[in-house]
Amino acid sequence: SQTIHQWPATLVQPVGSPLSLECTVEGTSNPNLYWYRQAAGRGLQLLFYSVGIGQISSEVPQNLSASRPQDRQFILSSKKLLLSDSGFYLCAWSGDLNTEAFFGQGTRLTVV
Amino acid sequence: AQSVTQLGSHVSVSEGALVLLRCNYSSSVPPYLFWYVQYPNQGLQLLLKYTTGATLVKGINGFEAEFKKSETSFHLTKPSAHMSDAAEYFCAVSLSGNTGKLIFGQGTTLQVKP
Repeated sequence: SQTIHQWPATLVQPVGSPLSLECTVEGTSNPNLYWYRQAAGRGLQLLFYSVGIGQISSEVPQNLSASRPQDRQFILSSKKLLLSDSGFYLCAWSGDLNTEAFFGQGTRLTVV
Repeated sequence: AQSVTQLGSHVSVSEGALVLLRCNYSSSVPPYLFWYVQYPNQGLQLLLKYTTGATLVKGINGFEAEFKKSETSFHLTKPSAHMSDAAEYFCAVSLSGNTGKLIFGQGTTLQVKP
């Protein structure tokens, strides 16, 4: 069966520090991968998605970037965090034959 | 452009009462529609989905939803609320073909009172 892993679960970082969140998927090949952000009291917003290694599409302009160095690995990064980057970050995957997305457990990021 | 509106950011029901969470969507093409549930500090779990075919879809934990094209709605219901149903619920829409690119509603927090 397929599983998705996200880490860390929680993170507190100072303003201006770098960020790296990692997501990996097991049990499937060539998944579509996604990063979503959930700001406090708001719904979820799609940040990035990837249909293959090295292929990244950005949905909204922001202080973040994403990379996909391996087929089942998706990384969310920032060179210098802003207070507004605080939120709950969710990684998700879907397959070509699936009709729903499967979400990881999320990372709670607090920028102080 | 697609959008999703969930009416009511907070809904409170008594245990055993009917649960009704409202969702309206806007889409220029036939949509895929989803309801997800989120427990505190956890990821999203799929409750149910509509893609094609039967407009009344049944999901996990006794939930169901009906796709009504004429009303552009996809309301979520459960005949009898349980304490364990207390969570945040998200309605989402996607274009067919890329079901991970989701447009979410703002979410509805369901409170279940004993």
